[in-house]
Amino acid sequence: DSGVTQTPKHLITATGQRVTLRCSPRSGDLSVYWYQQSLDQGLQFLIQYYNGEERAKGNILERFSAQQFPDLHSELNLSSLELGDSALYFCASSTATLRDSDEQFFGPGTRLTVL
Amino acid sequence: AQTVTQSQPEMSVQEAETVTLSCTYDTSESDYYLFWYKQPPSRQMILVIRQEAYKQQNATENRFSVNFQKAAKSFSLKISDSQLGDAAMYFCAYWVDSNYQLIWGAGTKLIIKP
Repeated sequence: DSGVTQTPKHLITATGQRVTLRCSPRSGDLSVYWYQQSLDQGLQFLIQYYNGEERAKGNILERFSAQQFPDLHSELNLSSLELGDSALYFCASSTATLRDSDEQFFGPGTRLTVL
Repeated sequence: AQTVTQSQPEMSVQEAETVTLSCTYDTSESDYYLFWYKQPPSRQMILVIRQEAYKQQNATENRFSVNFQKAAKSFSLKISDSQLGDAAMYFCAYWVDSNYQLIWGAGTKLIIKP
């Protein structure tokens, strides 16, 4: 158990819908990262938050948005869903340092299926 | 552009034998970090080993060790005494502070034959 929690574990929805994925980082971790892993592929970095502020952006679609709340949990919002958005979405957190070369601890992921 | 390449989509090894997974990366940075992550069938991502580029000594974690060749931009993972529980996807990843993100390879599927 990495200490990072993600809910829900599975999500099945229809095209055009909007969903929210939730992540709670490890206690004391200020950085949260979101990744997308499509079937049998590597991870694609979406976005990072550090202590409530957006810090880095990767290949995140405009239909996707995220935020980190004062209690440090984070939410990833996916809207106007398409079939191709079906994937495993991981959240990771890292230790409270400005140099985030430290280990990222991954949550169990949310499996999103868009029908 | 910074990229990470894992040229072996799949590898298989006999239980108790040794296997090496390859990883190369492209960067113009001198200070960076390299990681190997394991993703078993449970899909949980687990850190296997990390290497700081400024360290010449190769990192080792029990049965897992790396061969870090900075000039060649190569970072291979050696698994000794392979066990059935080592069966997983293995991802190589690269971090540089200026990017604030991990760059991932496509992964190598490791099969352990009993």
